[in-house]
Amino acid sequence: EAGVAQSPRYKIIEKRQSVAFWCNPISGHATLYWYQQILGQGPKLLIQFQNNGVVDDSQLPKDRFSAERLKGVDSTLKIQPAKLEDSAVYLCASSFGGVETQYFGPGTRLLVL
Amino acid sequence: GENVEQHPSTLSVQEGDSAVIKCTYSDSASNYFPWYKQELGKGSQLIIDIRSNVGEKKDQRIAVTLNKTAKHFSLHITETQPEDSAVYFCAASNEGNTPLVFGKGTRLSVIA
Repeated sequence: EAGVAQSPRYKIIEKRQSVAFWCNPISGHATLYWYQQILGQGPKLLIQFQNNGVVDDSQLPKDRFSAERLKGVDSTLKIQPAKLEDSAVYLCASSFGGVETQYFGPGTRLLVL
Repeated sequence: GENVEQHPSTLSVQEGDSAVIKCTYSDSASNYFPWYKQELGKGSQLIIDIRSNVGEKKDQRIAVTLNKTAKHFSLHITETQPEDSAVYFCAASNEGNTPLVFGKGTRLSVIA
């Protein structure tokens, strides 16, 4: 079974630039999560989708972050404009339903200079 | 909201010894407690989880214990091997109602 795919794996940008991350969940998984993991900390949920609807985006900084999951499959997370404090690993995870085991992708490491 | 504290932040053990990582949580409504292993360049992998209707769960060399009264849970790894070296995260949630809240992680080093 293929795992959660993410791209790119690494990204370096300057502050105020824009960046986008892509995630393809495990086939058949209805729930998709985006997490931000700052160095030395655990993952923090940014947004949760159930199919193509948003379940929880309470911790998403909506002034600069946006996410979509068109057609209920893959998803993109965008930051515009980026700040220095956005430097982190962005993890995508998926689960079959809302309460099943979450499977994580390898993450995208973002460095904002 | 939920707050999860994890200790220690780093742990070094000799190969073959046991390792114990402890977490405490604040929300008494939390009922689901997974443990993830994170290796460099790989996705975080669920290694074991426990729900609040049981006090202990074991899978080969890995076990998790839960004390709901004290609101803490622990990961036990016996007969550690070098490939156990990784960062381990605990998490807690009220399953289906609140998102997973993670601890800050423990970097485990198993010395051969």
